[in-house]
Order: sequence, then structure tokens, then C-alpha cells
Amino acid sequence: AQSVAQPEDQVNVAEGNPLTVKCTYSVSGNPYLFWYVQYPNRGLQFLLKYITGDNLVKGSYGFEAEFNKSQTSFHLKKPSALVSDSALYFCAVRDIYGSARQLTFGSGTQLTVLP
Amino acid sequence: ETGVTQTPRHLVMGMTNKKSLKCEQHLGHNAMYWYKQSAKKPLELMFVYSLEERVENNSVPSRFSPECPNSSHLFLHLHTLQPEDSALYLCASSQDYRGGDGYTFGSGTRLTVV
Repeated sequence: AQSVAQPEDQVNVAEGNPLTVKCTYSVSGNPYLFWYVQYPNRGLQFLLKYITGDNLVKGSYGFEAEFNKSQTSFHLKKPSALVSDSALYFCAVRDIYGSARQLTFGSGTQLTVLP
Repeated sequence: ETGVTQTPRHLVMGMTNKKSLKCEQHLGHNAMYWYKQSAKKPLELMFVYSLEERVENNSVPSRFSPECPNSSHLFLHLHTLQPEDSALYLCASSQDYRGGDGYTFGSGTRLTVV
């Protein structure tokens, strides 16, 4: 079975400060990992993905995420937060060799960047 | 916008009405999905279509009826819904149902059942 956890429902950070949104996963094999962002009343937009290769993945809008196999984590980071980064962030996973055919999404983390 | 278009953007319907949600993609993808997003709850996968064939139905009540006439179009037919069905309904597509390249989502239909 595959699962993903986002332990924080809400993250607040001041504009200009670094931000981290946490994600941990569980798979029996190797994971595909994704981050999506959702603005109010909109669909989810792709930010970045880890399939294989470098553990540090760079994505859209200055975001990056680090794949840590030993800690089964894929935390989303940005060096300097913007007010416009305020949104709902979803982590997703799929076990490359698992029986589940679709991505499993986390419950989401609401990021608020304070001016 | 993203290549996946959902209509209408907003829908208010009575419990006895019949309505349909439409999703269209021109990305050349072969798999399409319906998700339900309710406040404070994880995304709920409802249906998956791969090459116009339904490959997954996650115990969705029969008042929701999907239709995939071709690989570019996906419908969700709604009939005698309940107030708890009010939610944001998201359509997504991917290259294939394994989703290795991730999903592309539409902007959603905000459904309110009164």
C-alpha cells in the first residue's frame, strides 16, 4: 500500500523568510513523488516531481524539494517566501512497483505568508 | 490554461435535478479522473478512465454516473444529489493511468446542492 502524510494543516511564515512544508510517504518499493499547489477555487497546479536522479528537485516559482529516502520524506522548500505563495499545498506519491495505479494525495497544508 | 477545461465553473442544483459536469483535455492524454474535494478532507478519487474504459470506481454512490465517450472528454452525470455532495469536483488527466508524469488538473466545478 502507498500513503502520504502532511503533518501540518497550517504553516505560517513571514514574507522573506524561508519556508518548509513537510511531507512523508510510505511505499513498499520506490516512489514517484509530486508537489501541487492550489489557489482558491482553482484546480491543483503541478510544482515539481521526483522520479529518479538528484535528490534535490527544483520546480516552478522558486520552489524545491529534497528527497530523503532514509527519512521517507519529500519536504517542499523555498528560500524566501512571498505573500503570493499563500495557497494550499498537496504532496502526492505513487509506488513504482505497487499495485495501486493512481497517485495518493496528502490532506494538504495551508501556507500563509504574512506581509 | 492548463489544457484541461471544466464546465461549468459553478453549479447550484436542487436535490431532484439532473445535471452534468463536463471535462475536456487536448493534451493527448489517455487517462482521465474525477476527484471530489470537500473542505478539510483529503482529495477523494471517484473514477478513473483509461483509453475510454473505466478502470476504477471507488465505491461512489450511483447518483454519480461517469461517461467517457472518447479520450478527450469526460462527463459526470448527477441525479438526486444530497447536500453533502456539495464540493469542488476536479477533473484530471495523465499520459496513462500509471500517472508517472503526474496529473494535469482542471480548475474544477464548484457544486452546491440545495
